[in-house]
Amino acid sequence: DAGITQSPRHKVTETGTPVTLRCHQTENHRYMYWYRQDPGHGLRLIHYSYGVKDTDKGEVSDGYSVSRSKTEDFLLTLESATSSQTSVYFCAISASGGRQPQHFGDGTRLSIL
Amino acid sequence: QQPVQSPQAVILREGEDAVINCSSSKALYSVHWYRQKHGEAPVFLMILLKGGEQKGHEKISASFNEKKQQSSLYLTASQLSYSGTYFCGTERNQAGTALIFGKGTTLSVSS
Repeated sequence: DAGITQSPRHKVTETGTPVTLRCHQTENHRYMYWYRQDPGHGLRLIHYSYGVKDTDKGEVSDGYSVSRSKTEDFLLTLESATSSQTSVYFCAISASGGRQPQHFGDGTRLSIL
Repeated sequence: QQPVQSPQAVILREGEDAVINCSSSKALYSVHWYRQKHGEAPVFLMILLKGGEQKGHEKISASFNEKKQQSSLYLTASQLSYSGTYFCGTERNQAGTALIFGKGTTLSVSS
C-alpha cells in the first residue's frame, strides 16, 4: 500500500474557526491532490500540487488554501470554516500526474457545526 | 468538464455481468477507473491510455474508444467483493496534471 497518512481522521469544529488538514506521504511522489467527497457529487478536486511550492486550483477551491513546503507534506486550510464545508476530504498522490495511478489516503471526516 | 457515468446504479446477483460507461464531451488522452467500498478510500483499478488497448484486472476489464470519447468497464461473473462505487476519471487538461471524476456508479452484488 502507498504510504499516505491523513490527519486528523475525524474533526468536529464550529463555524468561523480555522481548520488545517495534513497529508503526509513517504513515496516521494511529485503530485499531491486534495478532494472533497459529498453524496451525489463524487470526488471533486479542491487544489493540487505538482512540486514543492507549486500549486494550482481545482473545481471547488473557493474557501480553501493549500501549502507544500516539503515534498512529503501537503496542507489544506479552511481559513474560516462554514457548514457547507462539512465533507469527507481525501488526499491522493501520483508519481506523474494524470497518466499515472492516483493512490488515496484514508480520508478525514470533517463536521462543521 | 466532468465525465458522465451510466448507469447511476446497478443491482446484480453473483455470477451476473455488468457494464459501466464513462463519456466525455472533450478529447480524452487517458481514462482511469477506481472502486470505492463503503467507508473506505477509492482504490485504483486500471488506466487506459490513448490507443484503445483493453486492460484487465481479475475479471474486470475495460476498453477505451478515443473517437467516441468514452470508456466502458466490464465486470464479468460478478462476485460479492465487486460491490462498491465505481468512478471514472479523465484528464482535466492537455498537460495531464490532474483528473476530473465522474459522479460514480454504485454496484450492489447479492448472493
